[in-house]
Amino acid sequence: EAQVTQNPRYLITVTGKKLTVTCSQNMNHEYMSWYRQDPGLGLRQIYYSMNVEVTDKGDVPEGYKVSRKEKRNFPLILESPSPNQTSLYFCASSLSYSYEQYFGPGTRLTVT
Amino acid sequence: ELKVEQNPLFLSMQEGKNYTIYCNYSTTSDRLYWYRQDPGKSLESLFVLLSNGAVKQEGRLMASLDTKARLSTLHITAAVHDLSATYFCAVDSPLVFGKGTRLSVIA
Repeated sequence: EAQVTQNPRYLITVTGKKLTVTCSQNMNHEYMSWYRQDPGLGLRQIYYSMNVEVTDKGDVPEGYKVSRKEKRNFPLILESPSPNQTSLYFCASSLSYSYEQYFGPGTRLTVT
Repeated sequence: ELKVEQNPLFLSMQEGKNYTIYCNYSTTSDRLYWYRQDPGKSLESLFVLLSNGAVKQEGRLMASLDTKARLSTLHITAAVHDLSATYFCAVDSPLVFGKGTRLSVIA
């Protein structure tokens, strides 16, 4: 089944404790992206990747890192999480940047 | 900076009625997407509109794009309860999303 998977789905952590949210797609998509969704603010893009080893900042990249060493994986790294990073995170992928994106199930992160 | 505005943000409509959701964007783009999100769920792609005048229909939903007016519409025909969800439009690449329209269809 073609899909985008994220892990973990739910995470509660403390300020400053490094964490990684994994994202994997099995559709051989070139383009991958991370968004955060907050009430009243909609979805905002954090980082995106046009292909392996090519990443770029979205609208709200501060406090996040990404890497794209393999085509299928695009992990989101929070080196030192803070409470303002409490949010619902979505990973998405598409054939290329101009195609419709397929979204993962979401990761609900709480930073205390 | 690209801005995407949806109207209305909240919509309560009766079953069987018709209504339109509007999506305005601030800079030139010939690529617009509509997504649906059910409560607690992920986003599902509904329509991809790639050129001026594009019109796509799926069931009771029809989307159109006017690139000259920088406007897309999502028209709902004879609403049913199953259409209750939040609808997002998104423009350009990288995507910029509108804030979403929360639709509630009531009997």
